Amino acid sequence: TQLLEQSPQFLSIQEGENLTVYCNSSSVFSSLQWYRQEPGEGPVLLVTVVTGGEVKKLKRLTFQFGDARKDSSLHITAAQPGDTGLYLCAGALGGSTLGRLYFGRGTQLTVWP
Amino acid sequence: KAGVTQTPRYLIKTRGQQVTLSCSPISGHRSVSWYQQTPGQGLQFLFEYFSETQRNKGNFPGRFSGRQFSNSRSEMNVSTLELGDSALYLCASSGGTGGKETQYFGPGTRLLVL
Repeated sequence: TQLLEQSPQFLSIQEGENLTVYCNSSSVFSSLQWYRQEPGEGPVLLVTVVTGGEVKKLKRLTFQFGDARKDSSLHITAAQPGDTGLYLCAGALGGSTLGRLYFGRGTQLTVWP
Repeated sequence: KAGVTQTPRYLIKTRGQQVTLSCSPISGHRSVSWYQQTPGQGLQFLFEYFSETQRNKGNFPGRFSGRQFSNSRSEMNVSTLELGDSALYLCASSGGTGGKETQYFGPGTRLLVL
């Protein structure tokens, strides 16, 4: 079983549409990170959130960390073909699991021109 | 700062062989974590090293091992390769402490076992 449940698994949309990806858990995370990965490459960090209720914006991307630090969302406004990729959420529990991230299964986003 | 580097980028091995993968972390980072990524299982944690000590280990068989050197560079070794070991092996480095550190990933090593 995955500690982090990510949804949807696949998303295929037209350029200009908005979308939201969700990451949920029953565990409380000390931090949560969002990555984007291209085929055959390593995940590239988009953002780290550490405070419950925190909202971070990166151009057209908005990241939110739940108040209880158990869930997070990624919202993309006016998606572009360049946003296509695999989006991964990953949480750190801290404590005895230092150095370990728990990953969601990922959301494969395809944006059509 | 230079990013995380991994060598080699691609490897083809046959069943029963062993393989060693290398990872150089971002300068100043002391923590190196290894992950296996497959289409079926996603990213699975292998182990993490901090200051030359294995601090955490995932649920992988003993065929998977690693080490870290005094310059923080890390290697992982897989012995007696199986077809199911074919995967993208990713290394990540982190410079923080306290469980909130951000991990930065390398490009990965694509291993194909025939």
